[in-house]
Amino acid sequence: SQTIHQWPATLVQPVGSPLSLECTVEGTSNPNLYWYRQAAGRGLQLLFYSVGIGQISSEVPQNLSASRPQDRQFILSSKKLLLSDSGFYLCACWFRQEQYFGPGTRLTVT
Amino acid sequence: GENVEQHPSTLSVQEGDSAVIKCTYSDSASNYFPWYKQELGKGPQLIIDIRSNVGEKKDQRIAVTLNKTAKHFSLHITETQPEDSAVYFCAASKSMNYGGSQGNLIFGKGTKLSVKP
Repeated sequence: SQTIHQWPATLVQPVGSPLSLECTVEGTSNPNLYWYRQAAGRGLQLLFYSVGIGQISSEVPQNLSASRPQDRQFILSSKKLLLSDSGFYLCACWFRQEQYFGPGTRLTVT
Repeated sequence: GENVEQHPSTLSVQEGDSAVIKCTYSDSASNYFPWYKQELGKGPQLIIDIRSNVGEKKDQRIAVTLNKTAKHFSLHITETQPEDSAVYFCAASKSMNYGGSQGNLIFGKGTKLSVKP
């Protein structure tokens, strides 16, 4: 079965600092990978998805970017964080026609 | 594009009662409808899903029904327990394949279910 790892689990960063969140997947090859953001008490907002190495599609223009340097690695980045970037960031992948989520990273921008 | 609406936003039931959460979708081409349970501080967990060639699916105390004509689907939880308390999300996708933009899930805004002992 597949396993999705995300780190760090929690992060507190000042406004204007850079960001790098990592997601890695085990148990499957060439997965389609997704980054979602969830604001407190809110729904899931799709940020980026990737169908392969180096292939990134953005759903919402914003202060964030994504990269996929390896088949099972998906990275979410920012050069300068904003207060509005605070939230719960979730990585997801499809496995056997079902989508699964990682444990998430709680980001607080102060 | 697809739009998924979910109701109610909050639901409180007594332990042992049933809970029903309903979702409607707008794109008649959608053919995959999963339900996720999210506990506080954790990632959503897939609990059951249904595809458009099926009208109902059950897994122990959980069932999902799909009405393609009316474009709505529902989650039914019977004999609720305190551990069922969580936020539940419905979603819809228009592809059977897990690839690209056609495979992206569109989520409802969630239902916070509270089961009182």
